[in-house]
Amino acid sequence: DQQVKQNSPSLSVQEGRISILNCDYTNSMFDYFLWYKKYPAEGPTFLISISSIKDKNEDGRFTVFLNKSAKHLSLHIVPSQPGDSAVYFCAASGTGDYSGGGADGLTFGKGTHLIIQP
Amino acid sequence: GAVVSQHPSRVICKSGTSVKIECRSLDFQATTMFWYRQFPKQSLMLMATSNEGSKATYEQGVEKDKFLINHASLTLSTLTVTSAHPEDSSFYICSASPAGAPYEQYFGPGTRLTVT
Repeated sequence: DQQVKQNSPSLSVQEGRISILNCDYTNSMFDYFLWYKKYPAEGPTFLISISSIKDKNEDGRFTVFLNKSAKHLSLHIVPSQPGDSAVYFCAASGTGDYSGGGADGLTFGKGTHLIIQP
Repeated sequence: GAVVSQHPSRVICKSGTSVKIECRSLDFQATTMFWYRQFPKQSLMLMATSNEGSKATYEQGVEKDKFLINHASLTLSTLTVTSAHPEDSSFYICSASPAGAPYEQYFGPGTRLTVT
């Protein structure tokens, strides 16, 4: 059973417009969410994250929105640039208990291939 | 910023042999390292979590005797695929979490394993 879902395998957006990538999760114990960008045969590159105590986090052209009640988050890229073409993975983490100092492995969605059209 | 390296980046081996993949955190100490596997056009799947100096914790369905993980120091973790078979061919990626920052994970560039 997939706990993190990205229902759009691909998305095509014109350069300069807004790209919106969506992600849904089912595990209410997740308390930290991350977006990664990935090129073929490379490791993921961290983009932006959000804690479950927030509903929005912004970093330059990237904004992540979290709707806890709907268990939904989205990544907005404005304006979209050709270099943004890549696969974007949504990931979730955490049981909320870091008292032991250890980290949790991430649960990834299947990714959305974003294609920026010139 | 935090850099994680993996070696080798690509390896081809014959069926039945063992392959070791190294994951190093270059500029920070990683108390926890993770190993992921990615099949073509699929998501990254967490295989195991390793904490320095202790045994790795494997995810359900991952054979611990086949995928040996050693995290002997705060900057190095190794994954050994023993008695490799063609179905083990995949892209293996490690990540490292800095001491005191459990929410941060930095990924290595990945290792493409092909078993013939």
